[in-house]
Amino acid sequence: NAGVTQTPKFQVLKTGQSMTLQCAQDMNHEYMSWYRQDPGMGLRLIHYSVGAGITDQGEVPNGYNVSRSTTEDFPLRLLSAAPSQTSVYFCAITPHRDSYEQYFGPGTRLTVT
Amino acid sequence: EDQVTQSPEALRLQEGESSSLNCSYTVSGLRGLFWYRQDPGKGPEFLFTLYSAGEEKEKERLKATLTKKESFLHITAPKPEDSATYLCAVRTSGTYKYIFGTGTRLKVLA
Repeated sequence: NAGVTQTPKFQVLKTGQSMTLQCAQDMNHEYMSWYRQDPGMGLRLIHYSVGAGITDQGEVPNGYNVSRSTTEDFPLRLLSAAPSQTSVYFCAITPHRDSYEQYFGPGTRLTVT
Repeated sequence: EDQVTQSPEALRLQEGESSSLNCSYTVSGLRGLFWYRQDPGKGPEFLFTLYSAGEEKEKERLKATLTKKESFLHITAPKPEDSATYLCAVRTSGTYKYIFGTGTRLKVLA
């Protein structure tokens, strides 16, 4: 997984609870992204970061917050979980500025009841 | 609107039976087209990047090709271990954003 770690692997939340999904990398890559994957929908970009202190919204940002205080970490926060946020979440890095391929972490499976 | 469509949704092959997966795309400007393999319960694994029409990339039994409207992932003499979901994605010019297709689920029978 190109040095991308995600925690936890599984999580069950109740509606309205908050939590943070962790993503870390140890190769000093600038570009990091969060995706969600739902059946029949493909991977959809939630938020991304092009470096420490710089974040931007993707296709489906509502209900999620991010910050990038260090190059290594890019946490995804759910402030008030909803059943519609039940999904598998992947963090990705883009190691090379001139080739653009992404490398994904192992994922976090989140269920909101 | 930028869009990526993959076909077929699912494909069953006998071991050794070659075939192709299709990825059609509509984008305002293509910065790159990417193929990934995803096994159940795992994150996508990068396979290939293609940048311009006419480009081809190969890796073992897989060969990816690109035209101005679509890409093909050719699988030659597949083995059961090639069973997985294959994802296609594009990155458009001037943005960091990637658009993914919904994938093709490939099952290779021994």
